[in-house]
Amino acid sequence: TQLLEQSPQFLSIQEGENLTVYCNSSSVFSSLQWYRQEPGEGPVLLVTVVTGGEVKKLKRLTFQFGDARKDSSLHITAAQPGDTGLYLCAGVGNKLVFGAGTILRVKS
Amino acid sequence: KAGVTQTPRYLIKTRGQQVTLSCSPISGHRSVSWYQQTPGQGLQFLFEYFSETQRNKGNFPGRFSGRQFSNSRSEMNVSTLELGDSALYLCASRRSGGASGELFFGEGSRLTVL
Repeated sequence: TQLLEQSPQFLSIQEGENLTVYCNSSSVFSSLQWYRQEPGEGPVLLVTVVTGGEVKKLKRLTFQFGDARKDSSLHITAAQPGDTGLYLCAGVGNKLVFGAGTILRVKS
Repeated sequence: KAGVTQTPRYLIKTRGQQVTLSCSPISGHRSVSWYQQTPGQGLQFLFEYFSETQRNKGNFPGRFSGRQFSNSRSEMNVSTLELGDSALYLCASRRSGGASGELFFGEGSRLTVL
């Protein structure tokens, strides 16, 4: 069974701080997706990383896929209250496997 | 274009009852997946349907079942409800089957079992 572990489970920070969320597995994935879910909504895809070592940037968000395609990280620079939400990583293998998520709260 | 629509949004049932949840995918999307979301467990995969056929199934008991109609709309059913079935049930669609590709999620059906 492919499992994805996310850390930390919960993060509460002040506006303007930087943070990193980690997604780790012992399994190799063909690609990895990151979703963000806001209260009362379904998850929304942020990015898909495909190549080992790949780095993708989306404004203040930087996503990295590990060289061995087993892990990934999401780094947010100068967090804003609008970044608040649940961040989920999902590994693509023979089926999509989700991590338990990281709840991020950014206080103004 | 319209997103994924799930009904009902909220429902309360008692133990032993059964429930049917409905999902209308984005027009043109033929794959529908169902997930159970609970605090601390994340999204647990229930099943995926593509062109009316179940393509993949998660590790849930037989009380959880689903189906897909010719118009790609999908329903899931949970029989003999247990307290632990209380969760947010999310439906997601994508254009083709398989694990890759972006999933478009609905807002979910929140089930409370008393």
